Amino acid sequence: AQKVTQAQTEISVVEKEDVTLDCVYETRDTTYYLFWYKQPPSGELVFLIRRNSFDEQNEISGRYSWNFQKSTSSFNFTITASQVVDSAVYFCALTTSGSRLTFGEGTQLTVNP
Amino acid sequence: EPEVTQTPSHQVTQMGQEVILRCVPISNHLYFYWYRQILGQKVEFLVSFYNNEISEKSEIFDDQFSVERPDGSNFTLKIRSTKLEDSAMYFCASSMGDYPTDTQYFGPGTRLTVL
Repeated sequence: AQKVTQAQTEISVVEKEDVTLDCVYETRDTTYYLFWYKQPPSGELVFLIRRNSFDEQNEISGRYSWNFQKSTSSFNFTITASQVVDSAVYFCALTTSGSRLTFGEGTQLTVNP
Repeated sequence: EPEVTQTPSHQVTQMGQEVILRCVPISNHLYFYWYRQILGQKVEFLVSFYNNEISEKSEIFDDQFSVERPDGSNFTLKIRSTKLEDSAMYFCASSMGDYPTDTQYFGPGTRLTVL
């Protein structure tokens, strides 16, 4: 069975603060993929990033960065210098088969001006 | 940029009625999915579909649910006799293939309200 846990239900920060969203996963498979999706207030799910289990290199894309650590089964997401437009629900997800995505509960991020 | 579209954006129905949610996947994608999100909860996988067949379904996807690709562009989810607990946001997604490297792109969702 697969499971994704996002322990932070809600986070509130002030603009320009850095914020890290935690994601812990469980799977017995040695090959798996991890994802982050963003759900803005408009409701759609926007793909942000995909990592495979064999690539533990951290990734940076503009103000976004991701830290993948197999030793702790974590795939954390950091937003640097947060902006009001970053306010959204962020979901971490896992797949081993490619067909079924298993999502975490989501973290509601509110960035206040 | 190609995108997945869904209609209607909001559907209100009475308990026991049948509803059909419609999706137009990205045109060159071959795999199609339905997920649902009960308000305030996680997104849950319902079903995946390829080559006019269900390739995988979850325990949620019982006999009340069915999917169909009635033509070359639409992908539908039918709920035969809606229950109050079917109230949720339903997301359609599509991907080129079913490998994990084939990103699933989601539509904007249909909010279903069952009264």
